[in-house]
Amino acid sequence: GESVGLHLPTLSVQEGDNSIINCAYSNSASDYFIWYKQESGKGPQFIIDIRSNMDKRQGQRVTVLLNKTVKHLSLQIAATQPGDSAVYFCAEKGTGRRALTFGSGTRLQVQP
Amino acid sequence: DAGVIQSPRHEVTEMGQEVTLRCKPISGHNSLFWYRQTMMRGLELLIYFNNNVPIDDSGMPEDRFSAKMPNASFSTLKIQPSEPRDSAVYFCASSLTGEQFFGPGTRLTVL
Repeated sequence: GESVGLHLPTLSVQEGDNSIINCAYSNSASDYFIWYKQESGKGPQFIIDIRSNMDKRQGQRVTVLLNKTVKHLSLQIAATQPGDSAVYFCAEKGTGRRALTFGSGTRLQVQP
Repeated sequence: DAGVIQSPRHEVTEMGQEVTLRCKPISGHNSLFWYRQTMMRGLELLIYFNNNVPIDDSGMPEDRFSAKMPNASFSTLKIQPSEPRDSAVYFCASSLTGEQFFGPGTRLTVL
């Protein structure tokens, strides 16, 4: 029979509301973090990044918050739109490494 | 720039056949990454190159998988022989600094 797949946590929001997607990481040596958005049938697309010497960074409608004390990263999307519906991945990179380690992802569903 | 280019976009093959996936990174990028994405395991790093040299291939599942980067503008990921459990979407990404840019992926189905 078919194996059970990875169950993605899902966040469902109303259009126009703010969305907050959370991510916990385990490597205290990580010095760089990225949020990616992946739409169905496409590759992950860069949204915003942050280095470990910062705790907040803002982009267009998006804000990333980093709490190194509790190893927590969040992505805030203001005025969420139907086009924001996708799977969102956080990724981290350790000092001196080039490879990213990806989280399992969160599915964002925006209800019109 | 056209971004990272991958070919083919879709590949359907039979068990035991050789499969070759191709990637052209963004011009000027010096790092190239191969990932596999499945429902079971999510997005996994298979191997990455820096300046055409393989740096970390610990994610390569087994000897059936091999990757090459003969020059800065081309890389291949080969599976020989292919098995049904290799069915997945394979992504190539390139970077110059921290941010990685992903290609559209190759969806591989092994029957």
